[in-house]
Amino acid sequence: KQEVTQIPAALSVPEGENLVLNCSFTDSAIYNLQWFRQDPGKGLTSLLLIQSSQREQTSGRLNASLDKSSGRSTLYIAASQPGDSATYLCAVKTDKLIFGTGTRLQVFP
Amino acid sequence: EPEVTQTPSHQVTQMGQEVILRCVPISNHLYFYWYRQILGQKVEFLVSFYNNEISEKSEIFDDQFSVERPDGSNFTLKIRSTKLEDSAMYFCASSAQRGSGRFGELFFGEGSRLTVL
Repeated sequence: KQEVTQIPAALSVPEGENLVLNCSFTDSAIYNLQWFRQDPGKGLTSLLLIQSSQREQTSGRLNASLDKSSGRSTLYIAASQPGDSATYLCAVKTDKLIFGTGTRLQVFP
Repeated sequence: EPEVTQTPSHQVTQMGQEVILRCVPISNHLYFYWYRQILGQKVEFLVSFYNNEISEKSEIFDDQFSVERPDGSNFTLKIRSTKLEDSAMYFCASSAQRGSGRFGELFFGEGSRLTVL
């Protein structure tokens, strides 16, 4: 059974820091991995999608890598801003999308 | 950018009542999903729907739940007799067909918060 874990569970940093959020999954037989952002009480905003054949994807200040064989993905956020404060979820797709527990990020000015 | 829309944003109901949550997926998408998130917990898969039938469902999706695509645009989740533990945020999602550059990427709505009293 696929299990997805994210560490750290929570992170509080000053503005301007570069951050790494980690995601691990137990079964490497995935189609893709997706990173989402969730603001409190809101929906899920897709940030990046990495297909199983890809190693990384970039969008603006965000870069996500995938090491399928070791069951790991990282989300790198460069030059963090207070507006980045949110919960970040990773999810792996097998026959369905399975979510991790999330990392709650707070960036303070 | 096209988006998934869900109604209502919040519904309060009495235990035992029927509830219908509505979703309008992105117009050219062919795969539809419902997920739920109990407060403070993980987002959990409920059901996937393709070609007018359920393609996969979780253990949560028991006989009290049903899904329907009544016309070309709406996708609904019905809970026949709500229980207290059905209180959660319910998310609808859709994804594009195979061959699309974004195949496999799920796009989620803002959610419908269900409170069962």
